[in-house]
Amino acid sequence: AQSVAQPEDQVNVAEGNPLTVKCTYSVSGNPYLFWYVQYPNRGLQFLLKYITGDNLVKGSYGFEAEFNKSQTSFHLKKPSALVSDSALYFCAVRAEYNQGGKLIFGQGTELSVKP
Amino acid sequence: EAGVAQSPRYKIIEKRQSVAFWCNPISGHATLYWYQQILGQGPKLLIQFQNNGVVDDSQLPKDRFSAERLKGVDSTLKIQPAKLEDSAVYLCASSKAGTSTDTQYFGPGTRLTVL
Repeated sequence: AQSVAQPEDQVNVAEGNPLTVKCTYSVSGNPYLFWYVQYPNRGLQFLLKYITGDNLVKGSYGFEAEFNKSQTSFHLKKPSALVSDSALYFCAVRAEYNQGGKLIFGQGTELSVKP
Repeated sequence: EAGVAQSPRYKIIEKRQSVAFWCNPISGHATLYWYQQILGQGPKLLIQFQNNGVVDDSQLPKDRFSAERLKGVDSTLKIQPAKLEDSAVYLCASSKAGTSTDTQYFGPGTRLTVL
């Protein structure tokens, strides 16, 4: 069975500091991993994905994520946080064999960036 | 490129009433998904269409939920009769081909409150 864990319900960061939002996954075979962001009363907005290749994936708005197969992790990072980054972040996984199938989402991490 | 459109954005109904949600995917996207997002949780797939055929409806409560995608474009999701536990945000997403590496793009969602 596929699963995703986001161990922190909330992450608090000061503006200008680096941020990390953690994600670990469990899947049979190779994983395809995704990060989405959700602003209040909005749908999910795609940030980035890992399919294959370089373990460091760069995405929208200066975000990046590092795939670590041995630790089954896909942490989201940004070198310098902005107040406008405050939102709900979701990690999701799909197994390679699951052609076109559903994404399995974590429960979300609330990121709060203070000035 | 226009995004995924959903309507209505908000709906309040009494339990045992019926409700319908509408989704128009991104033009040219063959795959359409309906997700249910309960407060404090990540989205959970209800049903997936490939063109106008159902690919996965294993988590759709078929005694009360139904969905269709006539002509392989727009889709409607219906709940009849609604229960209190159906209060959630219903998200529609679409992807180009429905392959395992495809990115899903989400609409703004419909927030349903069942009283």
